[in-house]
Amino acid sequence: DQQVKQNSPSLSVQEGRISILNCDYTNSMFDYFLWYKKYPAEGPTFLISISSIKDKNEDGRFTVFLNKSAKHLSLHIVPSQPGDSAVYFCAAINAGGTSYGKLTFGQGTILTVHP
Amino acid sequence: GAGVSQSPRYKVAKRGQDVALRCDPISGHVSLFWYQQALGQGPEFLTYFQNEAQLDKSGLPSDRFFAERPEGSVSTLKIQRTQQEDSAVYLCASSLALNYGYTFGSGTRLTVV
Repeated sequence: DQQVKQNSPSLSVQEGRISILNCDYTNSMFDYFLWYKKYPAEGPTFLISISSIKDKNEDGRFTVFLNKSAKHLSLHIVPSQPGDSAVYFCAAINAGGTSYGKLTFGQGTILTVHP
Repeated sequence: GAGVSQSPRYKVAKRGQDVALRCDPISGHVSLFWYQQALGQGPEFLTYFQNEAQLDKSGLPSDRFFAERPEGSVSTLKIQRTQQEDSAVYLCASSLALNYGYTFGSGTRLTVV
């Protein structure tokens, strides 16, 4: 049972344009969401997060949007840069259910930004 | 150290062999997680430690998998009698108590042949 889904395995974008990565979840108990970026042969690195009490969080070129009613979140990268090319994972936590924040990950989306 | 260190980076094991994977978390980090990432998939939770206490091992796939963190710092994930389906990248992550910005190690890629 895949509780966090990233339905696009890959995304290709031109440098300078917007990248939009999507994520859907099924567990309504999830109340905290994170995006991780992963380069080959490295561990995932934290990018940005959002609590379920918000619908938007912005950090520089990265913005995460949360639509609780649709159980959907998206990561916007503007403008996209070739160095953003990586695998992006969406992850969710039931923060109210546990004290330690066990992450449930999506399958990942490979982003390629072309110069 | 500055980051989460995992060793070995790569391990090839013959089917039936026992393996031990090591994780050195960031000094002072209370929480430590192990995740398993199969090819083309996202990481999946295996187990969680708070200091030396293993508070959740619900993700361990079978009783062949065992994890420990005896002194609340270094952790070892042991897999007995490895099977081909155990082939994956094993990721360790650590964090301060309730900080969700976990720091992941680079992982150990286990290949069972």
